Amino acid sequence: EVHLVESGGVLVKPGGSLRLSCAGSGFIFSNAWMNWVRQAPGKGLEWIGRIKSKANGGTTDYAATVKGRFTISRDDSANRVYLHRNSLKIEDTAVYYCATGAVELPGLDYWGQGTLVTVSS
Amino acid sequence: QSVLTQPPSVSAAPGQEVTISCSGSSSNIAYNSVSWYQQLPGTAPKLLIYENDKRSSGIPARFSGSKSGTSATLGIAGLQTGDEADYYCGAWDSSLSAVLLGGGTKLTVL
Repeated sequence: EVHLVESGGVLVKPGGSLRLSCAGSGFIFSNAWMNWVRQAPGKGLEWIGRIKSKANGGTTDYAATVKGRFTISRDDSANRVYLHRNSLKIEDTAVYYCATGAVELPGLDYWGQGTLVTVSS
Repeated sequence: QSVLTQPPSVSAAPGQEVTISCSGSSSNIAYNSVSWYQQLPGTAPKLLIYENDKRSSGIPARFSGSKSGTSATLGIAGLQTGDEADYYCGAWDSSLSAVLLGGGTKLTVL
């Protein structure tokens, strides 16, 4: 069974930094394209970006609205994907989800439970 | 602002049918598959429909998807109170090289 668990959610001051982790199990992690999606309180889903498998170059794609502000990386030996962000702003307050891309089905087929990041002074 | 446009809300009585539209463009829906996601209150989203019209595992036949041109539609028949959720469409955008998610539609079963 596919299982994704995000961690690293914190209360952080504006200007602080963020490193979220997502641990995957129940599938061949190294073959998976991994995504990050966020949801601000009371708002809709926003795709942040994805990282391809190393077999597909291990490259990243980001939403235009966040490009240059977030960095996605992966450690296949640990079955983990990471989301990094410096210079946090209040508007980065959200639940952050990781999701697999087409592990079994096309689309964002499996999602973690999410981790809350609160940016506040 | 989402490039995939959905109505903010829809509502219907139990047992009835609703449709939720998702309007895009030639760089996303027209040439790429559409997925639909269901987010029940307080939970993570889950994949409902993939490749425009295929139901994910365990999704009842009451849920259907279709696509025509630059638009897609999610249909839910025989509404149940347990269907109350937010529904999102999604598609790859070939021009932006990004996954687009619609703004979401809140379904209320009256």
